[in-house]
Amino acid sequence: KAGVTQTPRYLIKTRGQQVTLSCSPISGHRSVSWYQQTPGQGLQFLFEYFSETQRNKGNFPGRFSGRQFSNSRSEMNVSTLELGDSALYLCASSPQTPGQETQYFGPGTRLLVL
Amino acid sequence: GQNIDQPTEMTATEGAIVQINCTYQTSGFNGLFWYQQHAGEAPTFLSYNVLDGLEEKGRFSSFLSRSKGYSYLLLKELQMKDSASYLCAVVLDDYKLSFGAGTTVTVRA
Repeated sequence: KAGVTQTPRYLIKTRGQQVTLSCSPISGHRSVSWYQQTPGQGLQFLFEYFSETQRNKGNFPGRFSGRQFSNSRSEMNVSTLELGDSALYLCASSPQTPGQETQYFGPGTRLLVL
Repeated sequence: GQNIDQPTEMTATEGAIVQINCTYQTSGFNGLFWYQQHAGEAPTFLSYNVLDGLEEKGRFSSFLSRSKGYSYLLLKELQMKDSASYLCAVVLDDYKLSFGAGTTVTVRA
């Protein structure tokens, strides 16, 4: 089975721009979660999608949004980028419920905001 | 807020044993995961504990005490490839995962 894939792997943007990141889960997995990873904060939960619906949300501002398509692929969008948004963005997929089963992480998208 | 504490860094010698502690104070608890993350790579699953006690899986073991809000990951017979970051993650009441900042383990020859 192919693993979780994320595109693009690296991205450089400037303040004020917006960005869209993509995640393709493992085939058959219906839950996709997004995390932000920074050296000081570790992994922080952004949101989780299941069957095209946002099922859970972390404590991030409304500039961070996401969606999930009928094939379980997911995108996250960050509008009006700030310097502090520079981070590794990881997505993870699981069959049904992340807290009850193993999540499989993708390689991440490294975003640099200048 | 959620409070999950792990040491920032640990160093050990090849062949030795290292114990990584994780203490937590969270709004709810539905289990605890340990993940390994090599530099520049995705986190990979190591273990999951939901009941008190020790779970052994080869060279790696994980322990949980729910009453003490405490877990540890034990790495035995350390190998150079074990140099990585180890992440403790608590499953909250709504099944969200809350991660600690991670412990970077360096294995020296």
